[in-house]
Amino acid sequence: DTAVSQTPKYLVTQMGNDKSIKCEQNLGHDTMYWYKQDSKKFLKIMFSYNNKELIINETVPNRFSPKSPDKAHLNLHINSLELGDSAVYFCASSQERDPGAGNNYNEQFFGPGTRLTVL
Amino acid sequence: QKEVEQDPGPLSVPEGAIVSLNCTYSNSAFQYFMWYRQYSRKGPELLMYTYSSGNKEDGRFTAQVDKSSKYISLFIRDSQPSDSATYLCAMRSGGYQKVTFGTGTKLQVIP
Repeated sequence: DTAVSQTPKYLVTQMGNDKSIKCEQNLGHDTMYWYKQDSKKFLKIMFSYNNKELIINETVPNRFSPKSPDKAHLNLHINSLELGDSAVYFCASSQERDPGAGNNYNEQFFGPGTRLTVL
Repeated sequence: QKEVEQDPGPLSVPEGAIVSLNCTYSNSAFQYFMWYRQYSRKGPELLMYTYSSGNKEDGRFTAQVDKSSKYISLFIRDSQPSDSATYLCAMRSGGYQKVTFGTGTKLQVIP
């Protein structure tokens, strides 16, 4: 009954390779995210999708391409991997609420993370 | 200057101590203030949230927001070894705006 799951949990690969990370949520949420957490624990948003539509796209190299086949899935494909891509990548999901209701704090449920190491 | 500043620590306290964790921010549009807890090798999980200014208490945890000073705090009373984790503050202005996280403070509670 895992809420947000990611595969794989660990990924070790060579520079220049292409790899994908998959994410699935079974919470019925309408919004999903990809975050990158570096070695200093800084959690930085990369992308956000709401109902399969891209709504947040931070300054991320275009080697990173998210794909949302449906509301429950958000995958991340990375081309031409570089050493600096080594990090933990977290998927998250949330349910957007009425902005005027005062409860739109947007609780995000995170997956367990994918630890990517580029050699 | 980052939008959200948080002392990375590490912060080491004896069991039973009162812990104070803090963040400052620069974006006056932030309305929602959250604290996430992240155990080692796990994803962050929401601990508490506050809307606008004021205090909120939940068991041993108290969250405070001072919008005039752009300063938020999390207090942990009677700290336990199980509280050892990284605590990330997070903020949002609302709508479809992104959540901006602090860098996290690593806390260790020593038995």
